Amino acid sequence: AQKVTQAQTEISVVEKEDVTLDCVYETRDTTYYLFWYKQPPSGELVFLIRRNSFDEQNEISGRYSWNFQKSTSSFNFTITASQVVDSAVYFCALIPGYSSASKIIFGSGTRLSIRP
Amino acid sequence: DADVTQTPRNRITKTGKRIMLECSQTKGHDRMYWYRQDPGLGLQLIYYSFDVKDINKGEISDGYSVSRQAQAKFSLSLESAIPNQTALYFCATSGADTGELFFGEGSRLTVL
Repeated sequence: AQKVTQAQTEISVVEKEDVTLDCVYETRDTTYYLFWYKQPPSGELVFLIRRNSFDEQNEISGRYSWNFQKSTSSFNFTITASQVVDSAVYFCALIPGYSSASKIIFGSGTRLSIRP
Repeated sequence: DADVTQTPRNRITKTGKRIMLECSQTKGHDRMYWYRQDPGLGLQLIYYSFDVKDINKGEISDGYSVSRQAQAKFSLSLESAIPNQTALYFCATSGADTGELFFGEGSRLTVL
């Protein structure tokens, strides 16, 4: 099976707390891409990051960081010192086999609410 | 202006009506896509096109059709709308081989 599981449907935290969004993927391919997208209340999905299956280095971008672990088939996303503007639905996604974006598989999303 | 523009942004229609959702892009990308988003289900691919003469069905194409009028334009039609086509529809583009998708702001369709 090829799929992406985001087990956390909704998360609510108080501003300035750290929060981690979980993503577990399944694929039979040894090469693949993983993605995170953000969907703010305005509606459009915004690309956050792409990882290559051969690159397990963790990545940090400001308050955002991503932990890619092939051993557990996980690609988790952490927001440090969360802010109200981080409130959105976040989608994890997989493109198996380095194929085109037409093969992208989205998780069902995690709705993150940051309370002031 | 947005790189990927969808019209209309909101539409309420009745069962049996024909509906067209339009998408235009200024990214210069050859690849364009139509997705449907339902609550709790993520995004599902309806149709995609890799260039003007190329149209491909996605996982949920039944009840939908598309037209790629130009490199920058890709429209989605519902020939005879039904209530379970009520959803949020997204157009997206991608450059070759990057996998990264650029989305429009979405078109919310309600079929009564």
